[in-house]
Amino acid sequence: AQSVSQHNHHVILSEAASLELGCNYSYGGTVNLFWYVQYPGQHLQLLLKYFSGDPLVKGIKGFEAEFIKSKFSFNLRKPSVQWSDTAEYFCAVNIRGNTPLVFGKGTRLSVIA
Amino acid sequence: NAGVTQTPKFQVLKTGQSMTLQCAQDMNHNSMYWYRQDPGMGLRLIYYSASEGTTDKGEVPNGYNVSRLNKREFSLRLESAAPSQTSVYFCASSSEGGYTFGSGTRLTVV
Repeated sequence: AQSVSQHNHHVILSEAASLELGCNYSYGGTVNLFWYVQYPGQHLQLLLKYFSGDPLVKGIKGFEAEFIKSKFSFNLRKPSVQWSDTAEYFCAVNIRGNTPLVFGKGTRLSVIA
Repeated sequence: NAGVTQTPKFQVLKTGQSMTLQCAQDMNHNSMYWYRQDPGMGLRLIYYSASEGTTDKGEVPNGYNVSRLNKREFSLRLESAAPSQTSVYFCASSSEGGYTFGSGTRLTVV
């Protein structure tokens, strides 16, 4: 069975700092990878996804992620965070397009002025 | 263009009561899912349905039943609610292109 590890439970950054959130998965085959964001009191929104091709994926709101197959990793990055990025971030994986997503436990990001 | 609609948005139950959470999608997706979200646990799969007429257990199915009534609707039933089922429940549907989540049901069992 697949599993997803997010190493940081809570990250606190100042505005304009750079962000990198770690995500590792365990599955030996081909996977699809996702990052979702959940703002306080809201439902999940897709930030970006990787199915195949260029391992550097650009998403919404200035986020990007890099798939490194040899490291089973899909880390999320943003060069300069804003207060409005305060949210919980979830990494997820599935093994083909129409199967259940397996989620990591999430990383809470707090951006302070 | 509603996407995935869940009802109710909030519910308080007493231990032992039963209820059904409703989910409907209007995107003609074959697959539908029920997840629960608990602090520090991420989202965990309760049940899913790959197509109309089929359902499968996920990671945490105990205490729940589901019905895939038709292609649009996928309901989650708690027969005898327990405090451990206090959670936020999300329904989702998917196609090859991706997933769409509902806005969630916050359930409290007292």
